[in-house]
Amino acid sequence: SQQGEEDPQALSIQEGENATMNCSYKTSINNLQWYRQNSGRGLVHLILIRSNEREKHSGRLRVTLDTSKKSSSLLITASRAADTASYFCATDGGGTYKYIFGTGTRLKVLA
Amino acid sequence: DGGITQSPKYLFRKEGQNVTLSCEQNLNHDAMYWYRQDPGQGLRLIYYSQIVNDFQKGDIAEGYSVSREKKESFPLTVTSAQKNPTAFYLCASSIETGYYGYTFGSGTRLTVV
Repeated sequence: SQQGEEDPQALSIQEGENATMNCSYKTSINNLQWYRQNSGRGLVHLILIRSNEREKHSGRLRVTLDTSKKSSSLLITASRAADTASYFCATDGGGTYKYIFGTGTRLKVLA
Repeated sequence: DGGITQSPKYLFRKEGQNVTLSCEQNLNHDAMYWYRQDPGQGLRLIYYSQIVNDFQKGDIAEGYSVSREKKESFPLTVTSAQKNPTAFYLCASSIETGYYGYTFGSGTRLTVV
């Protein structure tokens, strides 16, 4: 079964708007990661947030983590057409030494 | 530049044939992983290795085999026992298992013909 489930499955926005996608998971974690995948390519690591952190920023990306709700969100501000990709969260299941990926959110940014 | 190289980019397999997907990294990472991705799906873990000469089954290891004779290399063999091998295969590595981000290769798309 999937540990992380992203929501929404697909999102279409205009360039310049903000995009928010969410990830829910089932078991306790040590950390959670977000990745981006362009069509037909490998995944690119965006941000890792540890279970004792609540928020983390990297450029136009902002990730929040709420361990009480077992959820995380990824916010992309001032989106660009180049942000068009699928975004995945991955959780470590509390130290199982292997990350489990969700099914992803497909983001389309319209120019 | 450091990174992970997967080859080939596209691979076609005939029924009943074994094929091997290559994964090489020059990042000096200890841990390496193989994932399978089906259309519209997330990634599912096939095998992972924390150190040389050691590897563990992931969630969907049946029909696959791996070896880890060198730190830099983690080839995946898709055997004839894998009944539905058509998929996108991704190799990844990390400094250690569990607590660091993964670096992914660009993937191999395997198609059964």
